[in-house]
Amino acid sequence: AQSVTQLGSHVSVSEGALVLLRCNYSSSVPPYLFWYVQYPNQGLQLLLKYTSAATLVKGINGFEAEFKKSETSFHLTKPSAHMSDAAEYFCAVRPIGTNAGKSTFGDGTTLTVKP
Amino acid sequence: EPEVTQTPSHQVTQMGQEVILRCVPISNHLYFYWYRQILGQKVEFLVSFYNNEISEKSEIFDDQFSVERPDGSNFTLKIRSTKLEDSAMYFCASAGNNSPLHFGNGTRLTVT
Repeated sequence: AQSVTQLGSHVSVSEGALVLLRCNYSSSVPPYLFWYVQYPNQGLQLLLKYTSAATLVKGINGFEAEFKKSETSFHLTKPSAHMSDAAEYFCAVRPIGTNAGKSTFGDGTTLTVKP
Repeated sequence: EPEVTQTPSHQVTQMGQEVILRCVPISNHLYFYWYRQILGQKVEFLVSFYNNEISEKSEIFDDQFSVERPDGSNFTLKIRSTKLEDSAMYFCASAGNNSPLHFGNGTRLTVT
């Protein structure tokens, strides 16, 4: 069984400020972890992925996330927010080694960036 | 970069009608999925498909739903008799071995 909890359904930051979107997971087997971004009226775009290599993962658009097994967390960060970062962000978990296994998504966090 | 493509982008249908949502997964991928997202809600798993059969399905995926890979390139989701509550964004995804899911841009289904 696997689940994802995203703390904070809405996060608001000022342009240039640090972005921190929280994700905690639960998985009975070692997980792959992903962050997806969804812009209004668009599909899900992969931001970054953790696949059991480096624990600090860098993605597109300046985002990065750190896998912390002891905290079962995979928080998404960006040092300086841009207006274009305003979107819905989803954390997802998928068990390693289950190729056909589904990814389970969190409820999502809406990021608002204020000028 | 290869993409998952979905057609149509928007489908409007009347309650009780059958709809078929179409997807072309990335060509060398082996695992295929449908997810849905009701407006303003989370992304929900519907079904996964591998080796020409369903590998897992959620409780949402009842007898009104079916999937098919008719010709080795398309992957379709059929809803036999649509209900108002089927209105949602439907996302197709595909994956290779140990890779993340790659999603299409979705089909917005509106049932009136």
